[in-house]
Amino acid sequence: DIQMTQSPSTLSASVGDRVTITCRASQSISIWLAWYQQKPGKAPKLLIYKASSLESGVPSRFSGRGSGTEFTLTISSLQPDDFATYYCQQYNIYSPLMFGQGTKVDIK
Amino acid sequence: QVRLVQSGAEVKKPGASVKVSCKASGYTFTGYFIHWVRQAPGQGLEWMGWLNPHSGETNYAQDLQGRVTMTRDTSINTAYMEVTRLKPDDTAVYYCTRGLTMDDAFDIWGQGTMVTVSS
Repeated sequence: DIQMTQSPSTLSASVGDRVTITCRASQSISIWLAWYQQKPGKAPKLLIYKASSLESGVPSRFSGRGSGTEFTLTISSLQPDDFATYYCQQYNIYSPLMFGQGTKVDIK
Repeated sequence: QVRLVQSGAEVKKPGASVKVSCKASGYTFTGYFIHWVRQAPGQGLEWMGWLNPHSGETNYAQDLQGRVTMTRDTSINTAYMEVTRLKPDDTAVYYCTRGLTMDDAFDIWGQGTMVTVSS
């Protein structure tokens, strides 16, 4: 099975900061990667699919890049509403669906 | 408005079973796969498996094979997920979510159902 590793596990940042989270796959998944945002007590929310496609209604300060085994999620200017936990997910057809362990973005 | 609405919280004893429902509205129920994802307290997301509401076909995560069953009732646009032989480690929030295919990102999520397993 393909394993997903996110880094860092926790990230402390301030409003206005540029923030980047990395997700690495144990083998190539092409572009079959999604990013989700989850706030406490709420269901995850889809932000990015196919590595770089922005889900409808998601602010343009969120962007995704990468292919193969290395991917990034960038928030260009962190807003108060962005403090949350972020998960990557691979959905390569040849392997069970798998999430990364999560990255918590909190206030510095 | 596209929605997935789940049944309410459950408290079960070890060894019992639980069945969670997920009612779809606002879209063609048989046009999207339903996936189930769970999250233990303070932990990450664990994919459990998928159900094709059109055919009834299922695929389960290997760790849950033999204990999880996913079904549907197309007459009421509802999917079900049952876990048997519950253990305390099964304590989690259970989410239903949809994807266009068996391998897809999940664009709509249910609100979650808390299942507590405790003696």
